[in-house]
Amino acid sequence: GENVEQHPSTLSVQEGDSAVIKCTYSDSASNYFPWYKQELGKGPQLIIDIRSNVGEKKDQRIAVTLNKTAKHFSLHITETQPEDSAVYFCAASRGGVQGAQKLVFGQGTRLTINP
Amino acid sequence: GAVVSQHPSRVICKSGTSVKIECRSLDFQATTMFWYRQFPKQSLMLMATSNEGSKATYEQGVEKDKFLINHASLTLSTLTVTSAHPEDSSFYICSARGFSYGGNFMNTEAFFGQGTRLTVV
Repeated sequence: GENVEQHPSTLSVQEGDSAVIKCTYSDSASNYFPWYKQELGKGPQLIIDIRSNVGEKKDQRIAVTLNKTAKHFSLHITETQPEDSAVYFCAASRGGVQGAQKLVFGQGTRLTINP
Repeated sequence: GAVVSQHPSRVICKSGTSVKIECRSLDFQATTMFWYRQFPKQSLMLMATSNEGSKATYEQGVEKDKFLINHASLTLSTLTVTSAHPEDSSFYICSARGFSYGGNFMNTEAFFGQGTRLTVV
């Protein structure tokens, strides 16, 4: 089955700097890669996703890149702000009938933005 | 995006009793719902997957008689923790995939509820 590895487990950056979180996956059939932000005591919130037919996607300060050959994808946050502090999870899944294919999550990265 | 409402957000129950957690998709039809358990500072552990109108598929090691999942409609799924024990204390989160009425997202996207903090005393 699919295995997703996420690094680093913790990341501390100065406000205004960029943060990069990396994930690798094992199943070459995976074709959907979302990123979630989880604040303390809350459920994960989808912040950006990418599908295997695209190499890069950007949404304001957040971008995701995908390298299918190497089986890795990364989250890039630019101009970081204190409210970006949270735990971030990457995930991977295959497409499937009625979206029944489950997401496999990485271990999470605790991002701290220092003022 | 889409809204998934999970209730209650916190619950404390006595050992031996049962607790029901509800998960509702407010503005889309949830054809598939997932239930997760999360321990402190850890990732999400998938417990089971349910498709509307079908029996849930449980992950290995998850007791289906203890964690009862019902997905009787396209907008509601419930998780019932039966005969709860202190070791069942955890953060439970539901997630839903499906179709919006306006078709503005694909069925690969999964939206999460706010989570339920269960404490068994």
